[in-house]
Amino acid sequence: ETGVTQTPRHLVMGMTNKKSLKCEQHLGHNAMYWYKQSAKKPLELMFVYNFKEQTENNSVPSRFSPECPNSSHLFLHLHTLQPEDSALYLCASSQEAGAPETQYFGPGTRLLVL
Amino acid sequence: TQLLEQSPQFLSIQEGENLTVYCNSSSVFSSLQWYRQEPGEGPVLLVTVVTGGEVKKLKRLTFQFGDARKDSSLHITAAQPGDTGLYLCAGVRYGNKLVFGAGTILRVKS
Repeated sequence: ETGVTQTPRHLVMGMTNKKSLKCEQHLGHNAMYWYKQSAKKPLELMFVYNFKEQTENNSVPSRFSPECPNSSHLFLHLHTLQPEDSALYLCASSQEAGAPETQYFGPGTRLLVL
Repeated sequence: TQLLEQSPQFLSIQEGENLTVYCNSSSVFSSLQWYRQEPGEGPVLLVTVVTGGEVKKLKRLTFQFGDARKDSSLHITAAQPGDTGLYLCAGVRYGNKLVFGAGTILRVKS
């Protein structure tokens, strides 16, 4: 059973809305990740946090804004999204970023932008 | 251009058949991982292969890492409906960054 939870599981929003995705890990890990999964495309790494500090922003548009208040929680704030941003957004955690550790994934938030 | 090419993209077979999924790249990886993702869930790690030429078995699943650490294969023997899902390979690069393939959707019919 996964120790990474994500809410909400499904989200429909208009292009002018502001919403937030939440991720929580119960594994005692220090690194957390946001990925985007679109149909027939590879998972795309968006952001990496290690010990609450952002260590990677993979050229993500500013309409996606991450927040990591502590090592157990990760948020993705969304505003003025585009229909092409519709996808499954996956959160993952690992013991520490940059080390050969297994990443554990949450179930994802299925986002639809109208 | 995808760094990791998976083939086939989709596979539909009958229960009891064997199958092989391929993961190919022109890049060398320090290790390679295979994940399975079921509908409504996130990917779950099945195995990590590290050494060139390494073969790992997980019940009816056999994973092989190419000698040059650029490619890998997943072979399933006597597939079961429970094997249905999306199979993802991911190359591990420096800094533990994962580079994913687009996945192979497997459907096993009873």
